[in-house]
Amino acid sequence: DQQVKQNSPSLSVQEGRISILNCDYTNSMFDYFLWYKKYPAEGPTFLISISSIKDKNEDGRFTVFLNKSAKHLSLHIVPSQPGDSAVYFCATMGSSNTGKLIFGQGTTLQVKP
Amino acid sequence: DAGVTQSPTHLIKTRGQQVTLRCSPKSGHDTVSWYQQALGQGPQFIFQYYEEEERQRGNFPDRFSGHQFPNYSSELNVNALLLGDSALYLCASSSQTSGAYEQYFGPGTRLTVT
Repeated sequence: DQQVKQNSPSLSVQEGRISILNCDYTNSMFDYFLWYKKYPAEGPTFLISISSIKDKNEDGRFTVFLNKSAKHLSLHIVPSQPGDSAVYFCATMGSSNTGKLIFGQGTTLQVKP
Repeated sequence: DAGVTQSPTHLIKTRGQQVTLRCSPKSGHDTVSWYQQALGQGPQFIFQYYEEEERQRGNFPDRFSGHQFPNYSSELNVNALLLGDSALYLCASSSQTSGAYEQYFGPGTRLTVT
């Protein structure tokens, strides 16, 4: 059973516009969430995270929003750049924060020049 | 400062064979986790090693085993390979002192079982 779901396999946006990637989770006890970006032939690289005590975290062009009641989080990229084209994974530490990451299936973002 | 390194990059094995994958963690890290990423899926947690012991294990059969050495490097062993074991195997390292939140991934080993 998929505990973290990214229902959109792919997303295409124009350079300069906003990219919104979505993620849903099943367990309300999950309390720390991360987004990773992955280029081909490279391992995932950490992008941004959020704790359940917050509903928003910003880092430059990247903002993550957490809606605990809906068990939903989203990653906003503004403005989108061609170099942002990659696979984005949503992940959680679950409820134990012991280092085991539970990943979604990933969303492939294409930013067109 | 070298990041997480993994070897080999690619590997082709036959069903029933055994394979060993290797991982060197980022400098200063003492914890190594292994993940399997099947095509079109997110990485799935296999197990985690700290202080040369397996600390956590995901839902993988006993054919998957590992080891951590005193220098914190790690090996993943898979016995009796099945076609379904074909995947990208990722190693991630972290430090217990800075918490498990920051995990750095290597580029992975692409295993193909024929």
